[in-house]
Amino acid sequence: AQTVTQSQPEMSVQEAETVTLSCTYDTSENNYYLFWYKQPPSRQMILVIRQEAYKQQNATENRFSVNFQKAAKSFSLKISDSQLGDTAMYFCAPRINNAGNMLTFGGGTRLMVKP
Amino acid sequence: ETGVTQTPRHLVMGMTNKKSLKCEQHLGHNAMYWYKQSAKKPLELMFVYNFKEQTENNSVPSRFSPECPNSSHLFLHLHTLQPEDSALYLCASSQGQIVSGNTIYFGEGSWLTVV
Repeated sequence: AQTVTQSQPEMSVQEAETVTLSCTYDTSENNYYLFWYKQPPSRQMILVIRQEAYKQQNATENRFSVNFQKAAKSFSLKISDSQLGDTAMYFCAPRINNAGNMLTFGGGTRLMVKP
Repeated sequence: ETGVTQTPRHLVMGMTNKKSLKCEQHLGHNAMYWYKQSAKKPLELMFVYNFKEQTENNSVPSRFSPECPNSSHLFLHLHTLQPEDSALYLCASSQGQIVSGNTIYFGEGSWLTVV
């Protein structure tokens, strides 16, 4: 059963604007880690940002930030000042459900940044 | 430039062929992974190796046979594949286990087409 949901299969944003990609998941754990990966047309998965569930502060990496709502099991990614190079598939990947040494990936959101 | 290199980048094979995918990581990591990415399906973990020992086998059919001779190299041996095995196969590595919050780094993938 799918335990990581990215409800927006496709999104578009104008260059320089802000966009938010949503992700929800299911877990019974209290301490875990969450990741967002980007997959551009080259197909290489690139880490965008990482969040530790025990930290209340939302992670930030330059133009990328997350809104982590632990109680709601929500982990959204905000991209500010969108650039053409941000065009890619974005995958939410929490380590959840006693999954051992593995991540569970969502179905992905295809983001198109328009000039 | 990626710390995880995969060869070949593209492979076309018949259903009776035997071929191998190779992965090498230059990051000094001790865990390596094979993931499968099919169209319209979430990224699926296939195998995990930690210090050359297989620690996860995600119910992968025996026509896929992994080999990890050392912490830097990982192979995926392929034989008698089916057309539905056509996909992008991604190799990844991490320093330590994801359960501890370590980040995994991906290669650029090997596109496999089974005819």
